[in-house]
Amino acid sequence: AIQLTQSPSSLSASVGDRVTITCRASQGISSALAWYQQKPGKAPKLLIYDASSLESGVPSRFSGSGSGTDFTLTISSLQPEDFATYYCQQFNSYPHRLTFGGGTKVEIK
Amino acid sequence: EVQLVESGGGLVQPGGSLRLSCAASGFTFSSYSMNWVRQAPGKGLEWVSYISSSSSTIYYADSVKGRFTISRDNAKNSLYLQMNSLRDEDTAVYYCARRSLQAVECAFDIWGQGTMVTVSS
Repeated sequence: AIQLTQSPSSLSASVGDRVTITCRASQGISSALAWYQQKPGKAPKLLIYDASSLESGVPSRFSGSGSGTDFTLTISSLQPEDFATYYCQQFNSYPHRLTFGGGTKVEIK
Repeated sequence: EVQLVESGGGLVQPGGSLRLSCAASGFTFSSYSMNWVRQAPGKGLEWVSYISSSSSTIYYADSVKGRFTISRDNAKNSLYLQMNSLRDEDTAVYYCARRSLQAVECAFDIWGQGTMVTVSS
């Protein structure tokens, strides 16, 4: 099964900072990667799909890049509402398997 | 408003059964494939099961195969998860999630608020 490794597992940052989160797949997955934001007690929210496509309604400060095994989620200027946990997710069509990364918690410095 | 609302969670003893429901509204439910995703307390997300729009294709995670059954009723705009032979490690918040039609690859664009399942004696 394909494993996703996120780094770092947590980070502290200030409002206005540029934040980059990395997701590495154990084997190539083309662009089959999505990113989600989850706040405590809430359901995850889709931010990025197909590695770099911005979900409708998501602020443009969020961007995704990468293909193959290495992917990044970038927040260009961290806002107070962005403090949350972020997960990457990949999909393998055969066999049908979907896995999430371990998560990255973004905290206030 | 596009919405998914789960129900049916609760406390159950190991070896017991529970049936979760997910009511969809605000969109054409029959056009979308659906999934269940769970999250154990303080842990990350784990995909549980997938069902295609017509119920013709179904998949399960290895951890629940043979114990859980996903189904849907498009006439009732509802998704279900029958959980049998429950184990302590099935304790989690269970979310239903809609597969995006925008994405080429699988991504979940709408999630319910979740329903808590606790397996404990």
